[in-house]
Amino acid sequence: NAGVMQNPRHLVRRRGQEARLRCSPMKGHSHVYWYRQLPEEGLKFMVYLQKENIIDESGMPKERFSAEFPKEGPSILRIQQVVRGDSAAYFCASSPLIYRQATNTEAFFGQGTRLTVV
Amino acid sequence: ELKVEQNPLFLSMQEGKNYTIYCNYSTTSDRLYWYRQDPGKSLESLFVLLSNGAVKQEGRLMASLDTKARLSTLHITAAVHDLSATYFCAVDMEDSNYQLIWGAGTKLIIKP
Repeated sequence: NAGVMQNPRHLVRRRGQEARLRCSPMKGHSHVYWYRQLPEEGLKFMVYLQKENIIDESGMPKERFSAEFPKEGPSILRIQQVVRGDSAAYFCASSPLIYRQATNTEAFFGQGTRLTVV
Repeated sequence: ELKVEQNPLFLSMQEGKNYTIYCNYSTTSDRLYWYRQDPGKSLESLFVLLSNGAVKQEGRLMASLDTKARLSTLHITAAVHDLSATYFCAVDMEDSNYQLIWGAGTKLIIKP
């Protein structure tokens, strides 16, 4: 059972371009979470998705950012017209249940995509 | 606003020594997580602490939770070089089923 797979691992974009980050959850996991990590900081929640549904996008900037988790295929985090401030590591995590539905539910993280905007 | 503060943020120590990383949080929560991150790698779950007084141990690492003091500790016993990594604590938002609030991380370097 492969872990959470993110690609690409590293992504360089010029200002104004689009960035697409992909996340394939662990097999059997239907809950996906995206986090952003700025240098020397902890992770910040961005969005929580279940298959075909955005459950909570309260941590995501209102403009330029969007996320989806289609019925088939990976979850996609899309950043349009990137700016230097978007440079960060973006982590995806997946879980089989919502955290609190089982006492030991935890999320498993991918290796992250490190986005650099030049 | 829920805040999670870790200290120290950076720690350099010799092999064989003991040390403790502290994680304070600013509001009530009954669930705390410790994760490890190696450079350029994913976050690996170490411990999930579910109740006041919970203590869990794995090898040279021991984590505890005091919900009354809103404090968790990660204690390292007789450190070895392989434990060099960044350690994060994260806390559930009380009114959320899934959102975690993360500390900034403690970068631990253990010198041979």
